[in-house]
Amino acid sequence: KAGVTQTPRYLIKTRGQQVTLSCSPISGHRSVSWYQQTPGQGLQFLFEYFSETQRNKGNFPGRFSGRQFSNSRSEMNVSTLELGDSALYLCASSLRLAGADTQYFGPGTRLTVL
Amino acid sequence: AQSVTQLGSHVSVSEGALVLLRCNYSSSVPPYLFWYVQYPNQGLQLLLKYTSAATLVKGINGFEAEFKKSETSFHLTKPSAHMSDAAEYFCAVTSGTASKLTFGTGTRLQVTL
Repeated sequence: KAGVTQTPRYLIKTRGQQVTLSCSPISGHRSVSWYQQTPGQGLQFLFEYFSETQRNKGNFPGRFSGRQFSNSRSEMNVSTLELGDSALYLCASSLRLAGADTQYFGPGTRLTVL
Repeated sequence: AQSVTQLGSHVSVSEGALVLLRCNYSSSVPPYLFWYVQYPNQGLQLLLKYTSAATLVKGINGFEAEFKKSETSFHLTKPSAHMSDAAEYFCAVTSGTASKLTFGTGTRLQVTL
């Protein structure tokens, strides 16, 4: 079974631009979560989706948004990029919306904002 | 609110020596606890998890962890370190029906000859 895939793997953008990242979960998984990883702040939760609905949101500004499609694929969007948005963005999928379920992570998208 | 504290941002051991990575958690409800490993330029890979069954949990690559409620700890151990164990290790907590993982700050494990 294929793992979680994320595209693109690397992105370079300039301040003020917007960016869309894509995540395809493991087949059959219905829950998708997004995390931001930076050297200074570590791993921080962005949001989670289940059945096309956002179920939980982390403490990030409204410039960060996401959505989930009927096939469970998910996208996240960051508008008006800032230098501080440079990070590794990780997507994780799990079978259900349940804390006990294992979340399987993709390889991440490395975003660099210049 | 939940939180995780990982003591020691860097740990260095000799090959063949015991690996001990510390994790303490805080949770007002019964927690689910996870250890993930991250190799350079890769995502996170699950090593093991505790979900209220056996308190001693065995994972992949010879790692294990023991849930101690009285000490609010979930330390990760491996009897004999291998060079391939060099990576960053993250402890995480969640609970209930939320998939949101709260991570510790990570411990970078170095294995020397």
